[in-house]
Amino acid sequence: DAGVTQSPTHLIKTRGQQVTLRCSPISGHKSVSWYQQVLGQGPQFIFQYYEKEERGRGNFPDRFSARQFPNYSSELNVNALLLGDSALYLCASSLDKNIQYFGAGTRLSVL
Amino acid sequence: AQSVAQPEDQVNVAEGNPLTVKCTYSVSGNPYLFWYVQYPNRGLQFLLKYITGDNLVKGSYGFEAEFNKSQTSFHLKKPSALVSDSALYFCAVSLNYGGATNKLIFGTGTLLAVQP
Repeated sequence: DAGVTQSPTHLIKTRGQQVTLRCSPISGHKSVSWYQQVLGQGPQFIFQYYEKEERGRGNFPDRFSARQFPNYSSELNVNALLLGDSALYLCASSLDKNIQYFGAGTRLSVL
Repeated sequence: AQSVAQPEDQVNVAEGNPLTVKCTYSVSGNPYLFWYVQYPNRGLQFLLKYITGDNLVKGSYGFEAEFNKSQTSFHLKKPSALVSDSALYFCAVSLNYGGATNKLIFGTGTLLAVQP
């Protein structure tokens, strides 16, 4: 079975631009979570969606938004990019809010 | 506020020797504890979890972890280290296992280096 897949793997943007990151969960998983991992730190929780509804939001500005589609895939959008948004963005899926399984991540560089 | 601490940035151990990666937590209520491992340019891989029951939890690749409520610790252990165990290890806690939002709170990570 395929694991959590994320696209793209790498992305380079400039300050002020907008970016969309995509995530496909493990088949049958209805919950998707997004995390930001800055170099040298542990992942920080951004959002969690379950059955297409937002179930949790971390301490991130409104420039960050997300949604979940009927097939349970998800997108994370970040507007007005700042240099500090450069990070590895991780998506995780879980079955009935159980153990979270992570994708390989999207590495975003903001120049 | 809940938090997780990994007091060691790096742990060095010789191949074949036992290893311990330390983790302490601070939460109100019953914690649900996890260990994940991250290899270079890879996402996080689940190793093991503690929800309730036996304080010694066995996980993937020969790893185990011991939950100690009085010391609020959840140290990761392995009896005999392999060079291939070299990676970044994260401890995480969740307060709402199975609840509406089971966000994970991670420690800062510990780099394990196993020398041949």
